[in-house]
Amino acid sequence: ETGVTQTPRHLVMGMTNKKSLKCEQHLGHNAMYWYKQSAKKPLELMFVYSLEERVENNSVPSRFSPECPNSSHLFLHLHTLQPEDSALYLCASSQDTQGWRNEQFFGPGTRLTVL
Amino acid sequence: GIQVEQSPPDLILQEGANSTLRCNFSDSVNNLQWFHQNPWGQLINLFYIPSGTKQNGRLSATTVATERYSLLYISSSQTTDSGVYFCAASRYNTDKLIFGTGTRLQVFP
Repeated sequence: ETGVTQTPRHLVMGMTNKKSLKCEQHLGHNAMYWYKQSAKKPLELMFVYSLEERVENNSVPSRFSPECPNSSHLFLHLHTLQPEDSALYLCASSQDTQGWRNEQFFGPGTRLTVL
Repeated sequence: GIQVEQSPPDLILQEGANSTLRCNFSDSVNNLQWFHQNPWGQLINLFYIPSGTKQNGRLSATTVATERYSLLYISSSQTTDSGVYFCAASRYNTDKLIFGTGTRLQVFP
């Protein structure tokens, strides 16, 4: 148990569906992150939020839309995805985004399959 | 940006054996973490170690920042150590943690 939870753990969706992934951290951190892990590839950073403000958007297609309503919750809204978007989506949090305070803790991930 | 390389890509051990995993990075870092990813995808923090040496039970890690590498030692390996080990690093003045491609460890009884 890392103090970061994600729901759902598994999601199957069609290309025309709209769904959302949820992440919650119970660590009192100020920064939250979305990562994508595809088969045989390193983890790719998608978005960074610091104090509910987006500070990084790593050239992610607009069909992925993040939302951070407060420092404990992070959402990833999905719409009109492609089969190549099938992957493990991981959420992480850290105290903030600088130096030693950037030690990141990960949730269990949502395994997404797009049909 | 910073490059992070891990070796070996795959490692097969018998229970009880020791192993050393290596992580090379291309620039000065202010964050270096080792993770273990279990078969269900959960990333478990092993060490936060931008420099120096730390030990936690059968695991220890050493980072030589001036030579831009880190080592993870696993002693007396157990089947539960199986999974993928990642190192990740970020440079000074950035918040982007860059992951290596991982070392896949399989420990057989």
